[in-house]
Amino acid sequence: DAKTTQPTSMDCAEGRAANLPCNHSTISGNEYVYWYRQIHSQGPQYIIHGLKNNETNEMASLIITEDRKSSTLILPHATLRDTAVYYCIVRGPDNYGQNFVFGPGTRLSVLP
Amino acid sequence: DSGVTQTPKHLITATGQRVTLRCSPRSGDLSVYWYQQSLDQGLQFLIQYYNGEERAKGNILERFSAQQFPDLHSELNLSSLELGDSALYFCASSPHGRNEQFFGPGTRLTVL
Repeated sequence: DAKTTQPTSMDCAEGRAANLPCNHSTISGNEYVYWYRQIHSQGPQYIIHGLKNNETNEMASLIITEDRKSSTLILPHATLRDTAVYYCIVRGPDNYGQNFVFGPGTRLSVLP
Repeated sequence: DSGVTQTPKHLITATGQRVTLRCSPRSGDLSVYWYQQSLDQGLQFLIQYYNGEERAKGNILERFSAQQFPDLHSELNLSSLELGDSALYFCASSPHGRNEQFFGPGTRLTVL
């Protein structure tokens, strides 16, 4: 699995967009980018994933650069409940025998 | 609520003892994964089962074992417990053909 690099921590004002970057310069052509978050010792929560196109769901948007070496998770209107550790993970398409490798992630603090 | 349930929520035991953690995956999910999260190690993959068979092993100690039953629930057995085994243990499940893993709320194990 390709390695990812994320900032250790970020702050965001409540109501503003939170943009969380992730570098994955060694990503392979068939590897997906996944985002999870973990709110204070709760189980990690799936947010979104993508291969090469930008993706959007009810929680967030995922912007992947054309060369796929980096991506940005966007929370459009951050709330206090979005304060969490956000993990960017790169993984291949086959879930047989594969697992998620969680790095230290980015600790996002949403400030009132 | 991810649909994955884990019992018990908390477990306090003594060194040298044996415990069993239980996980019920989301309805229809065939894959079950176990992860350990300690303060100094982050989230570490332990083992995966798919439809009753072991699929992948991560950093699982020989003192630990797991199994998945015909009804697809899984148990993680931890024996000869040491202080360092104190951690959060998460179970996740994923449906066939999809890679997103959905995590349970975890079991907090404290070894005294």
